[in-house]
Amino acid sequence: NAGVTQTPKFQVLKTGQSMTLQCAQDMNHNSMYWYRQDPGMGLRLIYYSASEGTTDKGEVPNGYNVSRLNKREFSLRLESAAPSQTSVYFCASSTGLNTEAFFGQGTRLTVV
Amino acid sequence: DQQVKQNSPSLSVQEGRISILNCDYTNSMFDYFLWYKKYPAEGPTFLISISSIKDKNEDGRFTVFLNKSAKHLSLHIVPSQPGDSAVYFCAASVGFQKLVFGTGTRLLVSP
Repeated sequence: NAGVTQTPKFQVLKTGQSMTLQCAQDMNHNSMYWYRQDPGMGLRLIYYSASEGTTDKGEVPNGYNVSRLNKREFSLRLESAAPSQTSVYFCASSTGLNTEAFFGQGTRLTVV
Repeated sequence: DQQVKQNSPSLSVQEGRISILNCDYTNSMFDYFLWYKKYPAEGPTFLISISSIKDKNEDGRFTVFLNKSAKHLSLHIVPSQPGDSAVYFCAASVGFQKLVFGTGTRLLVSP
């Protein structure tokens, strides 16, 4: 029972580099989310996908893009990383919006 | 503009006693509330939820209370155990929309 799997677990980027965070879930969930967690800020929603084929901006979408590749996979891309994007990123999934969400273990990203 | 607020960054209690974690919200349209627990280096895990049509929901040692008139939510843990030491996040949503999280409260339960 893998649940929600995120890769990589750790990453260090230089300012201006690009990278994609991968997320896959095996629970046949319709909805998927990307959050970032920063000290004193809680979990803030970056983007979400209510169902396969749809994506919407969350609270802090600037500097990010997403792709809902299929029902299982939802990736987050940083086109030109900035130090302000240093954070812990969590992917989550749920059967639908307004239901319990299951989270991955997180990706700790440092941009220098 | 923080719609969900957890004003206590930390809470310390002794094993066996009650832990009460509080959460306030500003959006009166929220109709579904959840509590998540998070250990270091792990993702948050769902603990308990309550819909706005109820004022109380229990699951074992965990009880969530909702006071809609005060826009206040609380989580009671009785009795508290050292394994409950973690960061607790409350979250809320409006209908079929995404969850909004609070900033978290770090609970420390000492033996």
